[in-house]
Formats: sequence, structure tokens, C-alpha cells
Amino acid sequence: AQTVTQSQPEMSVQEAETVTLSCTYDTSESDYYLFWYKQPPSRQMILVIRQEAYKQQNATENRFSVNFQKAAKSFSLKISDSQLGDAAMYFCAYRSAADKLIFGTGTRLQVFP
Amino acid sequence: KAGVTQTPRYLIKTRGQQVTLSCSPISGHRSVSWYQQTPGQGLQFLFEYFSETQRNKGNFPGRFSGRQFSNSRSEMNVSTLELGDSALYLCASTLISGGGYGYTFGSGTRLTVV
Repeated sequence: AQTVTQSQPEMSVQEAETVTLSCTYDTSESDYYLFWYKQPPSRQMILVIRQEAYKQQNATENRFSVNFQKAAKSFSLKISDSQLGDAAMYFCAYRSAADKLIFGTGTRLQVFP
Repeated sequence: KAGVTQTPRYLIKTRGQQVTLSCSPISGHRSVSWYQQTPGQGLQFLFEYFSETQRNKGNFPGRFSGRQFSNSRSEMNVSTLELGDSALYLCASTLISGGGYGYTFGSGTRLTVV
């Protein structure tokens, strides 16, 4: 069975600094997709970034970028120039081609001014 | 365009009762998934519907059921509520089932069972 592991329950960063959230996953599939979702106190899950496993190039969305290491089954999220509004729970998620979305346990990010 | 709409936002029910939650997906999205979120278990997949057919089902007892209508709106039902069913129930929609399309989530329904 596929699993997603986020080993950092909490992280903190100073405003304008850079922070990296870790995620590893386990799968025997070759075709799959990886996501990072953000859940602020408003509780709505917001898609931050997605990555197709067949693409070697790391996905980037403005201040958010990933480091996708397929062989190591690692998918970390880097947030540059952190802002107060980035404070939230961040969930790493995995989905194979025809299966459900599987979430990690989340990392709570605090941003200090 | 309108996002995923879940109703109601909050619900308080008594043990033994049943409850129905509703989810209206983004216009054009045909796949709807349901998740239960609790502090102890995290986000757990309940089921996914596509074109009125259940495509995937999580490891929940038969008290949890769902359906999808021809307009892609979905409902989930929990019968004989237990205290442990207290949770945030999230609905997510995507264009089609399968593939790497990102899911759009609703704000959830907070169910409290007393």
C-alpha cells in the first residue's frame, strides 16, 4: 500500500526567509502524481503545487518550489521569501493514476515577523 | 467561477441519529471525493464518485454511504452516529477520475456528535 510520511510535525520560519518541508512516500507504481496542499485556519485545503512523476523537472509556482527525487521517493516543498500568510498546515499528498488521494500527517508552519 | 460548496458548515447531532452532508462541485467537474479529518487519524479517504458511480472506497464501516447525482452534486450519509464520527468532513472535486488533476476542496462540514 502506498504511504506518505511527513516527519516534521512543526516548523517555523522568520518572515522573508526560506523554509523547506519534507515529504517521503512509498509506492511501487511508476505513474503517479504528487501534491502539496495548504490548510489555513479557515480549514479549506488549497492546492499549492503539483508534480507529475514522469517529469524530471521540478515544479515551481511563484515562491513555492519542489525538490522531487524520484529514486529516493522524496518530495520536499521550499517556500521562499516566507510571508505571514504562509502560516498554515501543509499536507503532502500522493495519487496513482487510478486511485485515491493519500495524505501525509501534515506539517504546521509558523511564520514569525 | 464558484468553488466547491459544502452544506451545512456546522452540524450537531445526537448519538444514534443519522446525518446527510451535501457537496456541490465546481461546474464541469465530474469527480467528487469525500474525506474525514480528525486530529488523531488525520485525513482519511471515504469514497470517490465519478459519473454517478462509486470508483473507490476507503476503509469505513457500512454506516458511511454516499451517492452522486446526474448534475455531479454528491451527498454522503452517516447512519447510527457514534461519538467517534465527530470530525471535519471535506469534499473535493476534480475534472475527471484518475490522472493528476488537482483537487479543489470545499471548506468542509464540521460534525459534532454528542
